[in-house]
Amino acid sequence: KNEVEQSPQNLTAQEGEFITINCSYSVGISALHWLQQHPGGGIVSLFMLSSGKKKHGRLIATINIQEKHSSLHITASHPRDSAVYICAVTNRDDKIIFGKGTRLHILP
Amino acid sequence: DAGVIQSPRHEVTEMGQEVTLRCKPISGHNSLFWYRQTMMRGLELLIYFNNNVPIDDSGMPEDRFSAKMPNASFSTLKIQPSEPRDSAVYFCASSRRLAYPDTQYFGPGTRLTVL
Repeated sequence: KNEVEQSPQNLTAQEGEFITINCSYSVGISALHWLQQHPGGGIVSLFMLSSGKKKHGRLIATINIQEKHSSLHITASHPRDSAVYICAVTNRDDKIIFGKGTRLHILP
Repeated sequence: DAGVIQSPRHEVTEMGQEVTLRCKPISGHNSLFWYRQTMMRGLELLIYFNNNVPIDDSGMPEDRFSAKMPNASFSTLKIQPSEPRDSAVYFCASSRRLAYPDTQYFGPGTRLTVL
């Protein structure tokens, strides 16, 4: 079993829909990261969380340390949000462990 | 700020040749990371440095891979000799600090093709 699991693996939605991507992990962590990778390959770090909730524009990330679970939400989704979203955690030994990513496709 | 700079952006080489990938982190960042991404294995962390010192190289696939950071503004990842299975996109990222994990900023990547 992977130490970082994401769901769903693939998600197709209509423009305007509220999107939720989930990440569960099984190790002790010092931080959790959400990354975005566009079709061109470039990777952007969206959030780094160690507790609570962060918001940036239409993106919201939450983390529940007790349940070892994080969610990434996108409100009012747009075709330009189409990308692969990757969850990664930094464990207690400062090793970074990646999920396999969620491929999001927003239809106009 | 120019962000993390990687060169070259694309590299095509023949099996057996030496390949050197270069990275310039964001000025003032103390931690530097090298990643490899393939369709089969996804994104993998190869090695990371803090204050120019390698902290963990357990992700380096084998002895053909080596990485150096001679100063705070430059790092190289070398593959010698290269093999077709090394074909991947190699990303460099930097962050302000390592001890308290900080947001990582990724470079545009180097797409390596080994024929």
